[in-house]
Amino acid sequence: ETGVTQTPRHLVMGMTNKKSLKCEQHLGHNAMYWYKQSAKKPLELMFVYSLEERVENNSVPSRFSPECPNSSHLFLHLHTLQPEDSALYLCASSPSRETDTQYFGPGTRLTVL
Amino acid sequence: GQQLNQSPQSMFIQEGEDVSMNCTSSSIFNTWLWYKQDPGEGPVLLIALYKAGELTSNGRLTAQFGITRKDSFLNISASIPSDVGIYFCAGAYDKVIFGPGTSLSVIP
Repeated sequence: ETGVTQTPRHLVMGMTNKKSLKCEQHLGHNAMYWYKQSAKKPLELMFVYSLEERVENNSVPSRFSPECPNSSHLFLHLHTLQPEDSALYLCASSPSRETDTQYFGPGTRLTVL
Repeated sequence: GQQLNQSPQSMFIQEGEDVSMNCTSSSIFNTWLWYKQDPGEGPVLLIALYKAGELTSNGRLTAQFGITRKDSFLNISASIPSDVGIYFCAGAYDKVIFGPGTSLSVIP
């Protein structure tokens, strides 16, 4: 079974829509991450969860709202996004927050019209 | 803040050629990671390095943890078309940061 899965793989939404991205990991890891990947820019860490508690929030606008109901699932709720939020959103997990090796999902390609 | 530089930014090579790329920083790291990202997919971990001077291979890939702890190198031998993609380095100290990537194109 694939280690880290993300749904949907592609999403097009208007600026007034509300949508959610889902990530699920089947690796038994305790830490999960959301990254934003824009063209020609390094990966930007958005949020970190460790044992279902948010431990890092890197100055992300409030229109992005994460949720981690358990150690296997991570959501990113989207509301009133801007066109510049269009990007590939990647979820990753690692055995623990202190473990450096992160395993990534395939990403959700988000387009905001 | 901490920042990683990757060189070259992009490269076009003939199938069968060897490839070298590097990752440098002004900061020291305890771990170096190399990932490959195919178009439309997430990065996949290729090699992890945990000790200065360490040389690790994964098939045709070889990576080294620089002795100064400020750099790392990735070599690909006898490139094939499926090596095409973006190669990211990541350095970890108290957190993991990613480089901007090296885009590799292989001409059959």
